[in-house]
Amino acid sequence: GAVVSQHPSWVICKSGTSVKIECRSLDFQATTMFWYRQFPKKSLMLMATSNEGSKATYEQGVEKDKFLINHASLTLSTLTVTSAHPEDSSFYICSASIRRPMNTEAFFGQGTRLTVV
Amino acid sequence: DAKTTQPPSMDCAEGRAANLPCNHSTISGNEYVYWYRQIHSQGPQYIIHGLKNNETNEMASLIITEDRKSSTLILPHATLRDTAVYYCIVRVVDTDKLIFGTGTRLQVFP
Repeated sequence: GAVVSQHPSWVICKSGTSVKIECRSLDFQATTMFWYRQFPKKSLMLMATSNEGSKATYEQGVEKDKFLINHASLTLSTLTVTSAHPEDSSFYICSASIRRPMNTEAFFGQGTRLTVV
Repeated sequence: DAKTTQPPSMDCAEGRAANLPCNHSTISGNEYVYWYRQIHSQGPQYIIHGLKNNETNEMASLIITEDRKSSTLILPHATLRDTAVYYCIVRVVDTDKLIFGTGTRLQVFP
């Protein structure tokens, strides 16, 4: 299957700083990329949909000024957590989709564990 | 909101078949059922998907009822490495969104 790579795998940052997480589709061009967050022992929560060359679409309750998404190319989307606080500590996961005539396939990155201290 | 319901947890003996049920009674005619699994602290891994016919690949089989209101994922010979949370997902029509429900935590024991 296709490969989606996230970087970094884990990051520790100080409260008040910003952190950028990259999501790359390594061997395909993604129609769309998605960003999720996951708290311990909970399911994945969709944060936003990222389309190349256009503004991201955020799910209800997700602060777009807090979680900045940039989708500069068909293989790269970035999530920047601005002015991070301890409550932003979470597991962030991206996925990239390939839309085919009959269905869509989604491939996930390995996730980024963010710890804000 | 997720359109699926799954039991929160299941156990399975190693070497036996693991049958994971999923209810999706409000599924629309053109919506696919996807199954992913997540091993601790990793990104979800694609397993299989289907529309209305039963499907099989090297990992699993997917049985979808005729009315499409439920499905079962079958791992024919579970191993300890199959211990994971399994998510049954109905893809939102006309979008590429995958909305995750709570999933089933499968524990395979020796």
